[in-house]
Amino acid sequence: GNSVTQMEGPVTLSEEAFLTINCTYTATGYPSLFWYVQYPGEGLQLLLKATKADDKGSNKGFEATYRKETTSFHLEKGSVQVSDSAVYFCALPPYNQGGKLIFGQGTELSVKP
Amino acid sequence: SQTIHQWPATLVQPVGSPLSLECTVEGTSNPNLYWYRQAAGRGLQLLFYSVGIGQISSEVPQNLSASRPQDRQFILSSKKLLLSDSGFYLCAWSGLHMNTEAFFGQGTRLTVV
Repeated sequence: GNSVTQMEGPVTLSEEAFLTINCTYTATGYPSLFWYVQYPGEGLQLLLKATKADDKGSNKGFEATYRKETTSFHLEKGSVQVSDSAVYFCALPPYNQGGKLIFGQGTELSVKP
Repeated sequence: SQTIHQWPATLVQPVGSPLSLECTVEGTSNPNLYWYRQAAGRGLQLLFYSVGIGQISSEVPQNLSASRPQDRQFILSSKKLLLSDSGFYLCAWSGLHMNTEAFFGQGTRLTVV
């Protein structure tokens, strides 16, 4: 079945550092790909998405490119802020999975001033 | 616009007591509905999902159950809580189209004492 693997955390960075969180996936067909963010004590919210190969999703300075050849969807940000401290989840929609949403294990990011 | 309501926000229950968490969605029809649990500092564990009224898929055998009595209502229950049931419970919905993003409630922090 479909699956998502993302890099282990926690990740600790200084403010203005460059961020990369790796995500690779296994899927049948061509699903959309998503990154969600969870701020402390809250539910998840969609950060960005890409719907087809070579698409780049972007939001709040974060970017991720749908790479079919490497089955990857790595999250990047050029200069992180303290307010970016959160848990980030890579995800597959319930595409060819009978309704089941699939998430990576989550990567906790802590940004220090 | 679509909204998701999940309550209560926090709950402290003694071991052996029953549990009922409710989630309702507004502004959409025939959503896929999900219950996730998140233990402290860990990823999302899919507990149940539903693609229609009365259709419940269970991912993890345990002392929890779920029901969908109405199209936009999803209930998580337990007859007797265990200490290990403590965690952060999240309800989510996604659209009928299987390639769309999910939307999450604000979560319920359950502490079993």
